[in-house]
Amino acid sequence: SAVISQKPSRDICQRGTSLTIQCQVDSQVTMMFWYRQQPGQSLTLIATANQGSEATYESGFVIDKFPISRPNLTFSTLTVSNMSPEDSSIYLCSAGTGKHEQYFGPGTRLTVT
Amino acid sequence: GESVGLHLPTLSVQEGDNSIINCAYSNSASDYFIWYKQESGKGPQFIIDIRSNMDKRQGQRVTVLLNKTVKHLSLQIAATQPGDSAVYFCAENQAAGNKLTFGGGTRVLVKP
Repeated sequence: SAVISQKPSRDICQRGTSLTIQCQVDSQVTMMFWYRQQPGQSLTLIATANQGSEATYESGFVIDKFPISRPNLTFSTLTVSNMSPEDSSIYLCSAGTGKHEQYFGPGTRLTVT
Repeated sequence: GESVGLHLPTLSVQEGDNSIINCAYSNSASDYFIWYKQESGKGPQFIIDIRSNMDKRQGQRVTVLLNKTVKHLSLQIAATQPGDSAVYFCAENQAAGNKLTFGGGTRVLVKP
């Protein structure tokens, strides 16, 4: 398994600003993913963070709104750009070793006012 | 798109009883089905998985059953304990890209 940390754990931001969330894995992993979990709901995949190339976004999510970086095999960032209250959510990072399991970070709780 | 869903949003269980959490899925091509447990303020934690060519798998106090005929997945927790109180998600793994599609979640409340 992999141990995943995220920073910040929570933040309160004003609308129109941007927040970058960091995800650090304690070992090299093949795959990293970013999810959104709106209050009281399930997880929705935002994108697959690809090392050394552009992220692969799911339907409904675009790079201009959620730019993602993955400079190496243990680190990724997700930026939530030009935030609105609708972006208030928990953002979760996960990592996989190429098999079917994914291990999740503790999440970043974002509130946009 | 295809998705994974759940029948029961909340399950209240007496401590010591067995819990059964159900999940319906629609993608017949999924390779693995996985159960996650999410406690308040934490990320989902892997519990157990089952490959699509199996119909039953047992772990410590947990059993997962897969019925491909009716596209149904269940998680059984034996002798439910207060520490089992959480939200449980089923997820299906699409072999292409190793992406997970999550179900809606069931909250399990264990009564002392």
